[in-house]
Amino acid sequence: AQSVTQPDIHITVSEGASLELRCNYSYGATPYLFWYVQSPGQGLQLLLKYFSGDTLVQGIKGFEAEFKRSQSSFNLRKPSVHWSDAAEYFCAVGGVLTGGGNKLTFGTGTQLKVEL
Amino acid sequence: DGGITQSPKYLFRKEGQNVTLSCEQNLNHDAMYWYRQDPGQGLRLIYYSQIVNDFQKGDIAEGYSVSREKKESFPLTVTSAQKNPTAFYLCASSMVSGENLYTFGSGTRLTVV
Repeated sequence: AQSVTQPDIHITVSEGASLELRCNYSYGATPYLFWYVQSPGQGLQLLLKYFSGDTLVQGIKGFEAEFKRSQSSFNLRKPSVHWSDAAEYFCAVGGVLTGGGNKLTFGTGTQLKVEL
Repeated sequence: DGGITQSPKYLFRKEGQNVTLSCEQNLNHDAMYWYRQDPGQGLRLIYYSQIVNDFQKGDIAEGYSVSREKKESFPLTVTSAQKNPTAFYLCASSMVSGENLYTFGSGTRLTVV
């Protein structure tokens, strides 16, 4: 069964500092991997995705993530955090459903706080 | 603009009552999904549908029911059999080919009073 672990429940960084959010996954085949961001009381917005190819993927808002198969990891990074990045971040692994579509399995999320 | 709409944003229910959450999309997506979000637990799949008049149970379907009579609509009913219904419910849709990227609604917060 597919699963995702986000070991950090809360992270606090200073504005302008670098950020790394950790994600480890378990999946039997080559995974589809995603990072989403959620503001309070809102839906989820896709930051970036990995399907195949280059293991370093670029996303929106200056985020990037690196797929490391040997470590079963897909960590999210940003070189300089802005106060508006404060939100909850979810890592997810996708499994293709018979008949089409994706079943996403989510981690428990990391709440990011940005200190000014 | 195309998108996915959930209503209402906030919903209060008395114990023992059924309640239906609405989810409508105009993205021409074939697949639709319902997830439940609880603090510290991430999102868990309740039901999904890949085609009209067909749907499948997800990981936590007990106490919930759905219908898919139209491609655009996928309502979720939280029944009185659901023991802990207070949660944030998210609907999503996707194509069934290609990258199958999700589009999420903005959610409904259900509170049992």
